[in-house]
Amino acid sequence: QVQLQESGPGLVKPSETLSLTCIVTGVSVSSGTYYWTWIRQPPGKGLEYLGNIFYSGSTNDNPSLKSRVTMSVDLSKNQFSLKLSSVTAADTAVYFCARERCSGGACGQLDYWGRGTLVTVSS
Amino acid sequence: DIQMTQSPSTLSASVGDRVIITCRASQSISRWLAWYQQKPGRAPKLLIYEASRLESGVPSRFSGRGSGTEFTLTISSLQPDDFATYYCQQYNSYNPLTFGGGTKVEI
Repeated sequence: QVQLQESGPGLVKPSETLSLTCIVTGVSVSSGTYYWTWIRQPPGKGLEYLGNIFYSGSTNDNPSLKSRVTMSVDLSKNQFSLKLSSVTAADTAVYFCARERCSGGACGQLDYWGRGTLVTVSS
Repeated sequence: DIQMTQSPSTLSASVGDRVIITCRASQSISRWLAWYQQKPGRAPKLLIYEASRLESGVPSRFSGRGSGTEFTLTISSLQPDDFATYYCQQYNSYNPLTFGGGTKVEI
């Protein structure tokens, strides 16, 4: 059974770097069939796509984050990670990791999600 | 960015009602659209992909239609478990993938 679980600090100070890891079980992140994705949701608001990473290390990220995002993958631990630098209160959100699959010639369907982890940016 | 606009933002309905949610894209996305259901405190759940393909395990009362810029999600007979927020998401363009603002279906 495919499962994803986010882990990382729940509180980050302004201007510091937010770091999260997504531990994947039930499927190998080195599968060439899937991308591995980060999405966030500010409290009471909608969903924002942060970016994804392929097992090879190639990434797509959201230009609106102005290059603050760094993603990596650890094949030996079957996990992938997110770093978001120079955080402000506007980065307070529930952060989700998800599996992104490809079907019918396009990728982007998010079929398995972690439960999400709330990260608060505050001094 | 491709902007996704959902309507209505809130919908009041009763068990057994037929419910239709609309999603419009700011430019053509062909059929590269997904629908998700999210309940409070939970992760979104994939319902529909490629505009009209039902995800495995999703009840057949959910259906999707559309192509280009206009899409709909229909719940044929609303059940108590369906009260939730629904999001559309385009995956025609990675720069970036974008979601609609959500439609809350409430009693």
